[in-house]
Amino acid sequence: SQQGEEDPQALSIQEGENATMNCSYKTSINNLQWYRQNSGRGLVHLILIRSNEREKHSGRLRVTLDTSKKSSSLLITASRAADTASYFCATDANFGNEKLTFGTGTRLTIIP
Amino acid sequence: NAGVTQTPKFQVLKTGQSMTLQCAQDMNHNSMYWYRQDPGMGLRLIYYSASEGTTDKGEVPNGYNVSRLNKREFSLRLESAAPSQTSVYFCASSGAGTIYGYTFGSGTRLTVV
Repeated sequence: SQQGEEDPQALSIQEGENATMNCSYKTSINNLQWYRQNSGRGLVHLILIRSNEREKHSGRLRVTLDTSKKSSSLLITASRAADTASYFCATDANFGNEKLTFGTGTRLTIIP
Repeated sequence: NAGVTQTPKFQVLKTGQSMTLQCAQDMNHNSMYWYRQDPGMGLRLIYYSASEGTTDKGEVPNGYNVSRLNKREFSLRLESAAPSQTSVYFCASSGAGTIYGYTFGSGTRLTVV
């Protein structure tokens, strides 16, 4: 079963606009991670946020985590054509720290 | 370049044939993973190895076996391929479980006819 569920499933925006995608999960976590996948390629790790953190930044990326709502959001500011990709959230269970469970992803298309 | 290397990149099998997918990492990572990716299903964990010498089942282990050959290599074997195993397979590694991000290979696209 999927631990994380991304919303929306697909998103199209104009270049330069901000893109926001959300992730909800079911059980307590130690950390939540976001990954990007370009078409036909492997996943690339973007950012990790720990359960005791509420917000984290990395370049044009901003991630928030609300453990009370079991949800996270990924904001990409000033989008570029190269940001076109699928984005996945992944969570671990609050037991074991051994493996990640991935959501089904958000397909982001940046229109030049 | 440092990272995770998967071979082969593409493979077509007939139903009932066997094959081994190879994965090697050169980052001295302890943990290694095999996932499959199907349209609309995201990534599902097949098997993982938290450290050298250990392997454990993931969410969808049926029809697969794994071998953690040494710290660098983690192979996935399909003993008798079925059309339901048509998928893209990804190997990943991490320094120590989920404490750090995963590094993924570029994938093996497998078609079983």
